[in-house]
Amino acid sequence: DGGITQSPKYLFRKEGQNVTLSCEQNLNHDAMYWYRQDPGQGLRLIYYSQIVNDFQKGDIAEGYSVSREKKESFPLTVTSAQKNPTAFYLCASNSPAGGPGYNTEQFFGPGTRLTVL
Amino acid sequence: AQSVAQPEDQVNVAEGNPLTVKCTYSVSGNPYLFWYVQYPNRGLQFLLKYITGDNLVKGSYGFEAEFNKSQTSFHLKKPSALVSDSALYFCAVRDNNAGNMLTFGGGTRLMVKP
Repeated sequence: DGGITQSPKYLFRKEGQNVTLSCEQNLNHDAMYWYRQDPGQGLRLIYYSQIVNDFQKGDIAEGYSVSREKKESFPLTVTSAQKNPTAFYLCASNSPAGGPGYNTEQFFGPGTRLTVL
Repeated sequence: AQSVAQPEDQVNVAEGNPLTVKCTYSVSGNPYLFWYVQYPNRGLQFLLKYITGDNLVKGSYGFEAEFNKSQTSFHLKKPSALVSDSALYFCAVRDNNAGNMLTFGGGTRLMVKP
């Protein structure tokens, strides 16, 4: 059963604490993305990775960090430098043009809701 | 730069009536256009896309969208709404000359009343 999984579904963070959100895909996609969704707003891109061991900042990267050591995994760390981290976080993936199994649309995971206590 | 506008925060429609959710876009090159649906506390589900070809695109769950280049629009439509269609709908655009990034609209909440 192919797809994207995110864990945990709900996450609570104390002030000053770093937390890591997991994103795993078994779709053999090269590209992976992290978005943040706030109530009443659209999705904003945090980081993306087009290939293993490479990633780029999106529109709102400050206070976040990522790694891409494996094709299947793209974890997001929300650091203490992110002043307002309470949001719904979505991971997505696809195969960019020129890659095997090219598809234009992005496939999304179920999301992680992060709340700062 | 690419951008998307969804001018309506909410659309209300009675069950059985046709529905339209509006989307306009701006890109420098040729657009790739997408519609996604989101149910509460869930990820986004892909509905349909326009890449090239026929301006009328048919997608999942009876939804369709019409690409209008002169009006730079890509409105989502369904001939007969269901209560179960109530959800948050997102339009997204990708400039095919500007890499693989999607830009999303702010979303439109569709409420279908029995």
